[in-house]
Amino acid sequence: AQTVTQSQPEMSVQEAETVTLSCTYDTSESDYYLFWYKQPPSRQMILVIRQEAYKQQNATENRFSVNFQKAAKSFSLKISDSQLGDAAMYFCAYRSMDSNYQLIWGAGTKLIIKP
Amino acid sequence: NAGVTQTPKFQVLKTGQSMTLQCAQDMNHNSMYWYRQDPGMGLRLIYYSASEGTTDKGEVPNGYNVSRLNKREFSLRLESAAPSQTSVYFCASSDPTGRNSPLHFGNGTRLTVT
Repeated sequence: AQTVTQSQPEMSVQEAETVTLSCTYDTSESDYYLFWYKQPPSRQMILVIRQEAYKQQNATENRFSVNFQKAAKSFSLKISDSQLGDAAMYFCAYRSMDSNYQLIWGAGTKLIIKP
Repeated sequence: NAGVTQTPKFQVLKTGQSMTLQCAQDMNHNSMYWYRQDPGMGLRLIYYSASEGTTDKGEVPNGYNVSRLNKREFSLRLESAAPSQTSVYFCASSDPTGRNSPLHFGNGTRLTVT
């Protein structure tokens, strides 16, 4: 069975600086999807970025980018020019190609932005 | 754009009481889900519905029942609430025609069982 591990329960960064959140996963599959979701204090879960495993190019969305290392089974999220509004819980999730329905979630990383 | 709407936002129950969490989506999505979120853990899937008329158990279905009333609505029922069911509950929907399609979440229901 697949597992997702976020080894950093909490991270902090100075406003305007760059921070990287780590995510590793365990799978025997070769094709799958990976996601990062953000959960601010409002509780709303918001998609930040997604990556298809068959794509070698790392996904980017404005200030958010990923470092996808397929062989190492690593999927880290880099946030550049951190803003106060980035403060939230960040969750990494894995979806098998065989399943439209089951997302495997990490435990989350709490990101604190220092003004 | 309402997206996914969950009610209620907060609820306190006594052990043994029953309640139904309501969820509706207006995005014409086929698939709907119920998750629970506990401190220090990722989201865990309780039940899902791949399409109208079908429901399936997820990772933690015990103590819950669901109804896919129509394409828009997917409710979660606790027949006899237990303190272990204290959690934040999220409803979500997706269009699974694209396998990398994201889940769209409601704002969650914080449930406390005393």
